[in-house]
Amino acid sequence: GNSVTQMEGPVTLSEEAFLTINCTYTATGYPSLFWYVQYPGEGLQLLLKATKADDKGSNKGFEATYRKETTSFHLEKGSVQVSDSAVYFCALSDLPSFGNEKLTFGTGTRLTIIP
Amino acid sequence: EPEVTQTPSHQVTQMGQEVILRCVPISNHLYFYWYRQILGQKVEFLVSFYNNEISEKSEIFDDQFSVERPDGSNFTLKIRSTKLEDSAMYFCASSGLAGITDTQYFGPGTRLTVL
Repeated sequence: GNSVTQMEGPVTLSEEAFLTINCTYTATGYPSLFWYVQYPGEGLQLLLKATKADDKGSNKGFEATYRKETTSFHLEKGSVQVSDSAVYFCALSDLPSFGNEKLTFGTGTRLTIIP
Repeated sequence: EPEVTQTPSHQVTQMGQEVILRCVPISNHLYFYWYRQILGQKVEFLVSFYNNEISEKSEIFDDQFSVERPDGSNFTLKIRSTKLEDSAMYFCASSGLAGITDTQYFGPGTRLTVL
C-alpha cells in the first residue's frame, strides 16, 4: 500500500537558517503530494501541493519539488522565521478518484525556530 | 475565511461509553472525512463520506464506528463502545467539487481520552 516516510523530529533551528525536511513516499500509481502544517492549537492547513512529476509547489517561502525518480518531496525554505514554528506533515493522495481523496500522512516533524 | 469547526475540543470518557464527535464542514463542500492521530503516530484515514453514504473506510473503521450527516451542516463520528486504544486526536476534513484533487480543509481536532 501507499506510505510516507518523514524526517524524524524535532528540528530546532535559529532564525534565518535554511530548512530542509525530508519526505519520501511509496505509491503504486501517480499520487499527488502535499505538505500540511499545524500551528499550535489549530487544525491542519495545506501549505503546498504538487500533482505531477517535476511540479514545484510553493507558498509562504516554502518550496517542494515532486521527484518521481527519487520518490521524494522534500520541503525547503531559505530563511526561516520564528512564526514558522509548527508541525509539518507530508502526505499523498491516491490516484484521483472523484470524491475519494484519501490522504496518507507521514508522522509529522516538529519544527522550532529560535530567535 | 470559511473554516471547519469541531466540538468538543477535548472529550474524556470511560471505557465502554458511547461518544459523538461533531464537525461543521465548510458550507458548500460535498465530501467529508474523518482522520485520527494517536499520540506520536501518523495521521490515519478513517472514512470518507459523499452523497449521504460512505465512499471508503479503512480497516480501523469497524462496526464500533459510524458517521452521519443528520442535517445540512453537521457531520458526526460516533464510537459506540469506546476502548482505551481509541484515545487519539480526531480530525474532520471537507473538500469541494473541483475536479481532480481538491484541497481538503481540516478542523482543529477533538482530543478523545478514554479512561
